[in-house]
Amino acid sequence: HSVLMQPPSVSGAPGQRVTISCTGSSSNLGAGYEVHWYQQLPGTAPKVIIFVNSNRPSGVPDRFSGSKSGTSASLVITGLQAEDEADYYCQSYDSSLSGVVFGGGTKLTVL
Amino acid sequence: QVTLRESGPALVIPTQTLTLTCTFSGFSLKTTGMCLSWIRQPPGKALEWLAHICWNDDFYYNTFLETRLTISKDTSKNQVVLTVTNVDPVDTATYFCARISTGNYGGDFDFWGQGTLVTVSS
Repeated sequence: HSVLMQPPSVSGAPGQRVTISCTGSSSNLGAGYEVHWYQQLPGTAPKVIIFVNSNRPSGVPDRFSGSKSGTSASLVITGLQAEDEADYYCQSYDSSLSGVVFGGGTKLTVL
Repeated sequence: QVTLRESGPALVIPTQTLTLTCTFSGFSLKTTGMCLSWIRQPPGKALEWLAHICWNDDFYYNTFLETRLTISKDTSKNQVVLTVTNVDPVDTATYFCARISTGNYGGDFDFWGQGTLVTVSS
């Protein structure tokens, strides 16, 4: 199982808001390591949409926001659009494993 | 602009060694802060980080796979190579190379290759 825990799936209607959680432990998020979020559209490589907890790369809509507190992080998507339907992954560093760790991924369905 | 491209065999026989090459452009692995990683994704499953190699020759491996992995770089050719020994059908995955540019080994991967699908089967 993944070191960072995410819900397998979330869904929402167009225009709604959804939250995807990422739960870690004292050796990763709880130790102060940054969290990053990726969007992966079917058949494509992941794309970073939030870096260093809450920063958006240029070109990513401000409908996407991120936060981190203690051993958890969240990705919030407001004003859901059909094009947001994708898999979302969180990523951090784990000191016990001395390496990068990913969440198990969350499939977002836009109803 | 930054580009990364993975190459390697589409099919590997169990117990053989898999060799993958990431050829990149638009930056140098001699530049402070640059690291290249290999990440894989079995069909329908999550991403799994495999290894990093960085501008300062530091390298790190996934703890659970490190006895089977070797990562190396050729800065003159702008290439990073990953070998995976003694492959098994569970190694069937799309293999991506991706860049970290912040020098932070837990940093975000800001550019990715398109990935190459490797199937392990006899």
